[in-house]
Amino acid sequence: DTAVSQTPKYLVTQMGNDKSIKCEQNLGHDTMYWYKQDSKKFLKIMFSYNNKELIINETVPNRFSPKSPDKAHLNLHINSLELGDSAVYFCASRHRGTGGKNEQFFGPGTRLTVL
Amino acid sequence: AQKITQTQPGMFVQEKEAVTLDCTYDTSDPSYGLFWYKQPSSGEMIFLIYQGSYDQQNATEGRYSLNFQKARKSANLVISASQLGDSAMYFCAMIREDSNYQLIWGAGTKLIIKP
Repeated sequence: DTAVSQTPKYLVTQMGNDKSIKCEQNLGHDTMYWYKQDSKKFLKIMFSYNNKELIINETVPNRFSPKSPDKAHLNLHINSLELGDSAVYFCASRHRGTGGKNEQFFGPGTRLTVL
Repeated sequence: AQKITQTQPGMFVQEKEAVTLDCTYDTSDPSYGLFWYKQPSSGEMIFLIYQGSYDQQNATEGRYSLNFQKARKSANLVISASQLGDSAMYFCAMIREDSNYQLIWGAGTKLIIKP
């Protein structure tokens, strides 16, 4: 049973296109995240979302937008793709509760290549 | 602003030896959490260990232990009896509790275990 899944695993597209990456978690978590890992392996938060608030990292271009149809899904839409958007995108989820490990569970990642 | 620093870009360790991966952090929050994640060459992010700032004891998970020195703001990962399968990127991360528990990441350390 996959806890956090992402589709597609690989995405190759032309500059200027619009694309989406889907993320689903079956853990019953109420908070989800998108992270970007660049070619130097550096990870950076893009968004976090629960049923009450969306928090957007201030450095994320507005070409990126998260869409959450329900608590189990947080999809990432990217408009007008640019070469610099090439990266691995990770979805993660976490149960919003006090105490515990606060662990985030990660999806397998989506490798986006913009040509 | 919160920040995570990993000063070792890469490390070579002989199999079966113990290894310490360094992580220092900077935060003004009195309550925070620190994580270590492993990323093998296959790309997935694997949770290893968590330390809360108010935890009285250093966290341990099997062969992994966290050497938490609060006054020095360090949270080093210790892997005992290293194995070839431990070869991977290792990331230290901190929770941003004011932002939906987003993770702020260090640059990572590439660990290679030699047979």
